[in-house]
Amino acid sequence: AQSVSQHNHHVILSEAASLELGCNYSYGGTVNLFWYVQYPGQHLQLLLKYFSGDPLVKGIKGFEAEFIKSKFSFNLRKPSVQWSDTAEYFCALRMDSSYKLIFGSGTRLLVRP
Amino acid sequence: NAGVTQTPKFQVLKTGQSMTLQCAQDMNHNSMYWYRQDPGMGLRLIYYSASEGTTDKGEVPNGYNVSRLNKREFSLRLESAAPSQTSVYFCASSEAPAYGYTFGSGTRLTVV
Repeated sequence: AQSVSQHNHHVILSEAASLELGCNYSYGGTVNLFWYVQYPGQHLQLLLKYFSGDPLVKGIKGFEAEFIKSKFSFNLRKPSVQWSDTAEYFCALRMDSSYKLIFGSGTRLLVRP
Repeated sequence: NAGVTQTPKFQVLKTGQSMTLQCAQDMNHNSMYWYRQDPGMGLRLIYYSASEGTTDKGEVPNGYNVSRLNKREFSLRLESAAPSQTSVYFCASSEAPAYGYTFGSGTRLTVV
């Protein structure tokens, strides 16, 4: 079955450290890929999305992600994290023309001041 | 601009009770979705409605029913609640799936 894997379940960083969260998917067709963020007690918000074209996607709050088709990956990066980035991050996959998004299990990020 | 509105925000049910979770969006989106979020499992799709008048099962539909009342509203019903349905439920809508979803603020449901 098609799936989305986020191998890092918990990540702890100090402020100003660089961040990379992994996301791998298993599907050989056309994909759209998304990163969502969920701050404590809040709903999911879209950080960025890959639709087509440039594989390097820039989102809100200084986040970016790179789509590497050969590696079936869409890793999320930020050069310097802040305490306010403490949240849970979800990668999501849309396959071909499906209406559905498939979500990974999430990565909890804790940024220490 | 309210976006996606879910009611109630919190609910406690006894096993066997029924209830309906309400969801409404004011963005004129065609597609609407119900997900449940459980620790360590991400979000799992319960049901979705690609357009007004259509509904389809998702990954975990057992124990739930849905109604797409009109373009704005998409409700989720638990006919006989079970402790395994304790979860946080999110409604979402989309203008087009390739653009991603807009989520509501969630309903935290506890079944005792």
